[in-house]
Amino acid sequence: NAGVTQTPKFRILKIGQSMTLQCTQDMNHNYMYWYRQDPGMGLKLIYYSVGAGITDKGEVPNGYNVSRSTTEDFPLRLELAAPSQTSVYFCASRPTDRGFNEKLFFGSGTQLSVL
Amino acid sequence: DAKTTQPNSMESNEEEPVHLPCNHSTISGTDYIHWYRQLPSQGPEYVIHGLTSNVNNRMASLAIAEDRKSSTLILHRATLRDAAVYYCILSYGGATNKLIFGTGTLLAVQP
Repeated sequence: NAGVTQTPKFRILKIGQSMTLQCTQDMNHNYMYWYRQDPGMGLKLIYYSVGAGITDKGEVPNGYNVSRSTTEDFPLRLELAAPSQTSVYFCASRPTDRGFNEKLFFGSGTQLSVL
Repeated sequence: DAKTTQPNSMESNEEEPVHLPCNHSTISGTDYIHWYRQLPSQGPEYVIHGLTSNVNNRMASLAIAEDRKSSTLILHRATLRDAAVYYCILSYGGATNKLIFGTGTLLAVQP
């Protein structure tokens, strides 16, 4: 009963380094989302996807890239990491259905520090 | 995109009911109203959602105004474990399917 799995849980990057945050879900959900949460703040939508091969920008996409080659996986790529990207990153998924089944499932998060 | 407005913080006493308000005056006809909560150091978790009618589940009740411009999350008997940030969000109908979170309401529960 894995749900949404994020790796790694913690990571420290140096300024200018790159990395990929992994997110995978085993619920066959078409919709997937990446959020970031700065300390003491709410969640900000970075990118989202409504199915394999389809992605779109959210509120704060600058400095990030995503891809969606399969239904299960939605990796988030940070190029040239900056201190402003220090945050907790959450991946989430939900089914296509509207109505009763329209619930977001979240991963446990990746805590990223850029120093 | 329709926005929601919530108080920054609220306090409650243990074992008492809690009413958490949310305003969404620009809601459209196909938008569902969702509530999620985030316990300290955890990811958000689903609480409840609805479209027009009031909804009940084992965690809470959702009361939706007749004009749908506001809603209230009701925790019937607050416990210390209910201390969390509660987010009210709108799930847009149509192709975009963005789920935009605001800053939420920080609920403190006093023993």
